[in-house]
Amino acid sequence: ETGVTQSPTHLIKTRGQQVTLRCSSQSGHNTVSWYQQALGQGPQFIFQYYREEENGRGNFPPRFSGLQFPNYSSELNVNALELDDSALYLCASSLDPIDYGYTFGSGTRLTVV
Amino acid sequence: AQSVTQLGSHVSVSEGALVLLRCNYSSSVPPYLFWYVQYPNQGLQLLLKYTSAATLVKGINGFEAEFKKSETSFHLTKPSAHMSDAAEYFCAVRSDSSYKLIFGSGTRLLVRP
Repeated sequence: ETGVTQSPTHLIKTRGQQVTLRCSSQSGHNTVSWYQQALGQGPQFIFQYYREEENGRGNFPPRFSGLQFPNYSSELNVNALELDDSALYLCASSLDPIDYGYTFGSGTRLTVV
Repeated sequence: AQSVTQLGSHVSVSEGALVLLRCNYSSSVPPYLFWYVQYPNQGLQLLLKYTSAATLVKGINGFEAEFKKSETSFHLTKPSAHMSDAAEYFCAVRSDSSYKLIFGSGTRLLVRP
């Protein structure tokens, strides 16, 4: 197992810009979820992908979008960044939707100024 | 709708003392419940999970949790705290409408020498 790797670890963007965050899941993990963790809060579910298709979405606007690739990597894209988008973004992967033991990455700390 | 409440945003114990972190859940269906730990500037690490098997669940690092349906609780305990246990702890429940995890707001555990 290689774990879940996220890049970059830190990022500073200006309001209105677009950002792409990347995640490399564990080999064989065909389910990936993204979470947003604001400072001092628990993670909030953004969306989940299973076999390259979105199969669940949280209460986030359409400017939050994602992709999952056949090589177990995925992306989170955020358009028209707002100051409130500043947070730690976590990627989590799982071998199977029935297996709830998600493996989390260390996250990307996004700061919007 | 499912939800998780963690009582106490901060818990302070002495090294060697009992650790008790409280979690109450709300769920219309039998829940899947989790405890995660987050060290500074890191992602989430799974401590243990309850998936309707034994009500007393043992996890890593000496932690365990007991599922009590009558009290809708899933409190995390450890008999003897170590300095290395100082971290943020999150309780989570699996959503009944998708595979997303719903997290509590977290409890920061402080361990005094």
